[in-house]
Amino acid sequence: KNEVEQSPQNLTAQEGEFITINCSYSVGISALHWLQQHPGGGIVSLFMLSSGKKKHGRLIATINIQEKHSSLHITASHPRDSAVYICAVRSRARLTFGEGTQLTVNP
Amino acid sequence: KAGVTQTPRYLIKTRGQQVTLSCSPISGHRSVSWYQQTPGQGLQFLFEYFSETQRNKGNFPGRFSGRQFSNSRSEMNVSTLELGDSALYLCASKGGVETEAFFGQGTRLTVV
Repeated sequence: KNEVEQSPQNLTAQEGEFITINCSYSVGISALHWLQQHPGGGIVSLFMLSSGKKKHGRLIATINIQEKHSSLHITASHPRDSAVYICAVRSRARLTFGEGTQLTVNP
Repeated sequence: KAGVTQTPRYLIKTRGQQVTLSCSPISGHRSVSWYQQTPGQGLQFLFEYFSETQRNKGNFPGRFSGRQFSNSRSEMNVSTLELGDSALYLCASKGGVETEAFFGQGTRLTVV
């Protein structure tokens, strides 16, 4: 079993829909990151969380340390949100990554 | 403020050769980490450097090595290349231990 599990692996939505991507982990962590990767490879860091909730524009990230679970929400999704979303946890001074969620938002 | 810069962006090498990839972190950042991304294994941690010292290392063979210079620029080297080393190699820089990581665009290495 991977230390970091993401669901779903693939997600297709219509423009305007509310989207949730989930991340569960099995190790003690000091922080959790949500990353966005577009075709071509570049990765953008969306959030770094150690507790609670953060919001940036249409993106919201939450984490429940006791349940070892985090969610990334996208409100009013748009085709430009289409990308791979990756959850990564920082444990023992290194990042361990989930397999990513491929999100496609259709107009 | 310039972002993390990786060079080259694309590289084709032959099996058995060696390769050196470069990463220039954001100005003022002293931590540089390297990652390998392949379709089969996803993103995996290679190593992390802080102030010219390797602070942490992932589970990769000794053919993978790195170093960091006094200006925080980092290089990683892969010797005796294998087909399986074909991957996107990403580096990230941070300003402190528990701060946000900023990623470069990556170097796509193809071994033929």
